[in-house]
Amino acid sequence: TQLLEQSPQFLSIQEGENLTVYCNSSSVFSSLQWYRQEPGEGPVLLVTVVTGGEVKKLKRLTFQFGDARKDSSLHITAAQPGDTGLYLCAGGEYGNKLVFGAGTILRVKS
Amino acid sequence: DAGVIQSPRHEVTEMGQEVTLRCKPISGHNSLFWYRQTMMRGLELLIYFNNNVPIDDSGMPEDRFSAKMPNASFSTLKIQPSEPRDSAVYFCASSSTGGGNTIYFGEGSWLTVV
Repeated sequence: TQLLEQSPQFLSIQEGENLTVYCNSSSVFSSLQWYRQEPGEGPVLLVTVVTGGEVKKLKRLTFQFGDARKDSSLHITAAQPGDTGLYLCAGGEYGNKLVFGAGTILRVKS
Repeated sequence: DAGVIQSPRHEVTEMGQEVTLRCKPISGHNSLFWYRQTMMRGLELLIYFNNNVPIDDSGMPEDRFSAKMPNASFSTLKIQPSEPRDSAVYFCASSSTGGGNTIYFGEGSWLTVV
């Protein structure tokens, strides 16, 4: 099973600050996804990236897939309290199987 | 459309008791996953089914755990006998072939074994 490492594990910032979360692996994935999970809920898909070097933007969130399809980053501009949650990256393996990273807990203070 | 539906949402049971968690996947999805989430180990895949057939159960911790999918719209995860270390949130998720690995999660079943 391929492993995904996320960093940092925890991040506490003030509203309005920018941040970047990283997801790294020594293995190549067919696709990579980012999920956000709020307390008491299941993870919800934010984005899927499939092409090396791909960049996708979702409002204040920017996702990038590494050229070699082994790593990804999530950048949030001007973070807001509503961005608080657990951010998970997941790499696509054979079939429909996904391998998840341990996650980054983000807290945005107002 | 209804999402993945899980029941019960919360369960507290005594050690040694049997626990059955239930899941109804999104209609039309042909892959179903059972995940377990804990603070220590994060989100772990326990087992997944494709077209009702178990494909990979390598994540099932031990013989006390079993999962079935008798039809395309229902699956169960059973723990017998339960132990305190089984306390976790159990998520069911589903996806469709050709969906680009997009997995849709239920809200989870919060299990506490005392």
